[in-house]
Amino acid sequence: ETGVTQTPRHLVMGMTNKKSLKCEQHLGHNAMYWYKQSAKKPLELMFVYNFKEQTENNSVPSRFSPECPNSSHLFLHLHTLQPEDSALYLCASSQDITRIDEKLFFGSGTQLSVL
Amino acid sequence: SQQGEEDPQALSIQEGENATMNCSYKTSINNLQWYRQNSGRGLVHLILIRSNEREKHSGRLRVTLDTSKKSSSLLITASRAADTASYFCLCGAGGTSYGKLTFGQGTILTVHP
Repeated sequence: ETGVTQTPRHLVMGMTNKKSLKCEQHLGHNAMYWYKQSAKKPLELMFVYNFKEQTENNSVPSRFSPECPNSSHLFLHLHTLQPEDSALYLCASSQDITRIDEKLFFGSGTQLSVL
Repeated sequence: SQQGEEDPQALSIQEGENATMNCSYKTSINNLQWYRQNSGRGLVHLILIRSNEREKHSGRLRVTLDTSKKSSSLLITASRAADTASYFCLCGAGGTSYGKLTFGQGTILTVHP
């Protein structure tokens, strides 16, 4: 148990659906991250929040919409996804992105399938 | 962004043997970290080595860092079937790179019982 919980673990959705992924951390961290892991590709950093403020958006399509209401919770809202968006979506947290020896703590991920 | 590149892409060994995987990077770093990922799960932090350190140990793990060659190696001694996983390096850099922590494609390690 890493202290980072992601729900749901698995999600199947159609291209016209709207769904949300949830991440919650119980570590008292201030930074939270969304990563996408597709087969045969490196992990892709999608979004970074530090003290609830978005600090990174790595050219992610607008059909992915993050929300960070507080330092403990992070959501990824999904709408009108494409089959190529099928992947493992990983949430991570860390103490603070300005720390030099920053270590990431990951959730178990949400395996998303878009039909 | 900083990104390490792991090598080899895949490694297959017998239980009890040592496993060595490497990571190369291109720009200066403050630290280098290794993570493990079991299939379909999140990554787990294994060990961090700072740029002013050359070697670090943790249990059966030994990490080396050569900043002149911009490379690091992770050695797992006396491997076990439970070590089967993907291993990733992560380059931690300061300054404007804060918050841009990116991974390479990883090394897939298979340990046969």
